[in-house]
Amino acid sequence: SQKIEQNSEALNIQEGKTATLTCNYTNYSPAYLQWYRQDPGRGPVFLLLIRENEKEKRKERLKVTFDTTLKQSLFHITASQPADSATYLCALGTGANNLFFGTGTRLTVIP
Amino acid sequence: GAVVSQHPSRVICKSGTSVKIECRSLDFQATTMFWYRQFPKQSLMLMATSNEGSKATYEQGVEKDKFLINHASLTLSTLTVTSAHPEDSSFYICSARAGGGALSYEQFFGPGTRLTVL
Repeated sequence: SQKIEQNSEALNIQEGKTATLTCNYTNYSPAYLQWYRQDPGRGPVFLLLIRENEKEKRKERLKVTFDTTLKQSLFHITASQPADSATYLCALGTGANNLFFGTGTRLTVIP
Repeated sequence: GAVVSQHPSRVICKSGTSVKIECRSLDFQATTMFWYRQFPKQSLMLMATSNEGSKATYEQGVEKDKFLINHASLTLSTLTVTSAHPEDSSFYICSARAGGGALSYEQFFGPGTRLTVL
């Protein structure tokens, strides 16, 4: 069956450290993968997109890697801040319209 | 840019009534809009995809007669939950995609609508 698993439901880290979130998938052939941030009671906010032929993407303090052999994406937040506390969702895209979401990892950055 | 709004943000209704949720793209034209449902501590589940001027495509298990979708213009889509029941209580989120082509995979999400059916 198809599955998208994000490493843990919750992750706590100390301010200033690098947070690493994992997204693993089975029985999908994604053309691209996206990471979103979702705050409680709000819709997801797009952060980064990485295509199947790209290994790494960066945007400010964010870095995403995509390994189609391992069927895994890693999402890194460097120099984390309490304001980075939120739920982070990975989403696999198999076409223009098809986006499948993981259940998310709730990140808490402790001051 | 790329702002999507939803109205209302929160609605409480009695069982058996119908509820309409609006989704608007404020600063771009959305050729495709999507409706998702999210239960507590669960992932977003796609309910349907709609293109302006045509019928919506529903995901397996989603009743099209219960969840009516109208994408009347390039900036507005509506979701009507007909004869709502308590099990329909959920967080409904819409998203919009700007255009066609290989670079337009990004979806912009609305803030969501919390529906509670008593």
